[in-house]
Amino acid sequence: AQKITQTQPGMFVQEKEAVTLDCTYDTSDPSYGLFWYKQPSSGEMIFLIYQGSYDQQNATEGRYSLNFQKARKSANLVISASQLGDSAMYFCAMREGLTSGTYKYIFGTGTRLKVLA
Amino acid sequence: DARVTQTPRDKVTEMGQEVTMRCQPILGHNTVFWYRQTMKQGLELLAYFRNRAPLDDSGMPKDRFSAEMPDATLATLKIQPSEPRDSAVYFCASGTSGRDTQYFGPGTRLTVL
Repeated sequence: AQKITQTQPGMFVQEKEAVTLDCTYDTSDPSYGLFWYKQPSSGEMIFLIYQGSYDQQNATEGRYSLNFQKARKSANLVISASQLGDSAMYFCAMREGLTSGTYKYIFGTGTRLKVLA
Repeated sequence: DARVTQTPRDKVTEMGQEVTMRCQPILGHNTVFWYRQTMKQGLELLAYFRNRAPLDDSGMPKDRFSAEMPDATLATLKIQPSEPRDSAVYFCASGTSGRDTQYFGPGTRLTVL
């Protein structure tokens, strides 16, 4: 079974609108971390936002927020006020084994976002 | 602005040749990761190090791949002999144990003919 599932291979959003990118995960580890990365066409991987499994509040970083629903095992990325520069591939990732100190990171297959002018 | 650096940025080689990719983690970071990205497989973790010790390289084909950290400022990934199926972008990332964020380098695009 996939540990990280991103069901939207591609999405379009109008400039200045908000967009939600879906991510569901699967783990039996009680302690884990969830991440979103952006990969523009230039190829680099850019860290966007992090949510720990025990964090009480949803993470926010500027225009990015993570809608964390633990019971549903979802960690959707919300981008508010989309900009043309947000057009990129977005990856959801999970790190398991926080309490054991292991560093197993698993990435989803990505969602390609296109922002329309 | 601290960044992970990787060399070379692009490498074209012929099947059977040895390939060495280098990574300089961000100063002060004690974890280093090697990933491979292909269209077919996506992003795969090949190996990771903490305090220069390899903690897990289960994602790496052992017969031809090797990863080392000769010192805290250099990580290497070697393929010998290279094969066309090794063509991919190889990313290095670094971080600090205790924090979960990884910072990626620009990647090495490897093409094996």
